[in-house]
This record gives sequence, structure tokens and C-alpha cells, in this order.
Amino acid sequence: GAVVSQHPSRVICKSGTSVKIECRSLDFQATTMFWYRQFPKQSLMLMATSNEGSKATYEQGVEKDKFLINHASLTLSTLTVTSAHPEDSSFYICSAQTPGGSNEKLFFGSGTQLSVL
Amino acid sequence: RKEVEQDPGPFNVPEGATVAFNCTYSNSASQSFFWYRQDCRKEPKLLMSVYSSGNEDGRFTAQLNRASQYISLLIRDSKLSDSATYLCVVSPRSKFYFGSGTKLNVKP
Repeated sequence: GAVVSQHPSRVICKSGTSVKIECRSLDFQATTMFWYRQFPKQSLMLMATSNEGSKATYEQGVEKDKFLINHASLTLSTLTVTSAHPEDSSFYICSAQTPGGSNEKLFFGSGTQLSVL
Repeated sequence: RKEVEQDPGPFNVPEGATVAFNCTYSNSASQSFFWYRQDCRKEPKLLMSVYSSGNEDGRFTAQLNRASQYISLLIRDSKLSDSATYLCVVSPRSKFYFGSGTKLNVKP
């Protein structure tokens, strides 16, 4: 299957710092990428849809100034958690949609475990 | 109403058992359907797509019922390694909606 690389896999940071997470599609061009957050024992929650060359679309309740998304190329989207606080500690996962009309599929990065102290 | 609904489980079954999960969706315009598997603290991995005619991959069988708007996953001869959370995913064009997942525990 398609490969999506997410980096870093784990971040521990102090409260108030900003953290950047990268998501790359390695063997295909992804016009659309998605960012999710998952708290322990809970389901994936879609945070935003990242579209190459345009502004991201945020889900209700997700602060766009807090979670900055940039999708500058067809293979890279970044999520920056600005001024992180302990309540932002979570598992962040990106996914990229393969092109292909009715054969579109979703492949995931390996996730980033963010711990804010 | 949620886009996708799943029974969270857990389903606790012995090795060798057959287990089935269902998932209902609300958007009748949905075009693509998938089952993903997620292990604890790992990313979801695509298990199989679900086609209108139903499809099988080894011990796994997926079926789609458009009239009733549900999809199912059947696992035969359960293995310990099948223990995971199974996520139902439904996609109207270019948008993917996840169920909350059904947890499966296969016991020796």
C-alpha cells in the first residue's frame, strides 16, 4: 500500500512551546491530507482537512489559530501546535488520500505522541 | 446523528471463534467503504475495502447493504493476533468518516 511518513513519533515539551509535526506522502501525490487527534481509549477525531495550496478546513471546535496547518506541496503537510498546554497532550495522526476517483483510499502516518509538561 | 455508528464492544471471543461486527452509516450518498484495524497506540491500517458484491480476503469477509446502510465484517477462525480495534470508515466523495471502533479481544 501507499506510504505516509509522519515525524516525529514522540515529542515531550514544556508548556508554552510550539511543536511542528510533519506528514509526507512518499510514493504518491496527496492533494488532500487529514489531521486527527486521539485521546486514550477514544476514537479518532478529525481536526482538519488540509488542501494543497489553500487554507485548511477545520472541524467545529478546533481552534485554527492554535493548530496551524500548512500544505505547501503535494507531498507535505505540517501541523503546528502553538503554545502547547498539558491538555493538548494526545496522539496526533495524519492521513493522506490517494488519488483515484472511486478508488480513493486513506493511508495513515505512524502518529505522533505529544506530551506537554 | 453520527455519520457512522459502531458497537464499541469489547467482543471477547475464544481462539477459533467466528465473530461479526456491524456498522451503520447515515449518508446514503456514501460511495466507498472500508474496514481498518488499529492496534493500541498505533496508526490505523487498512484491512479491506468493502464492495457492493461483498468480498473476502482469507478469514475476513466484508459485506455492504446499501438499502439498510450498513456494512459488516466477519472474522472466521479468530487468532490471538486478531485482537485489535476495528474501525468502520465510510466515504462520500473525498471525505472520510470513522466509526468509534469495535474492540476485539481473542482469548486463548
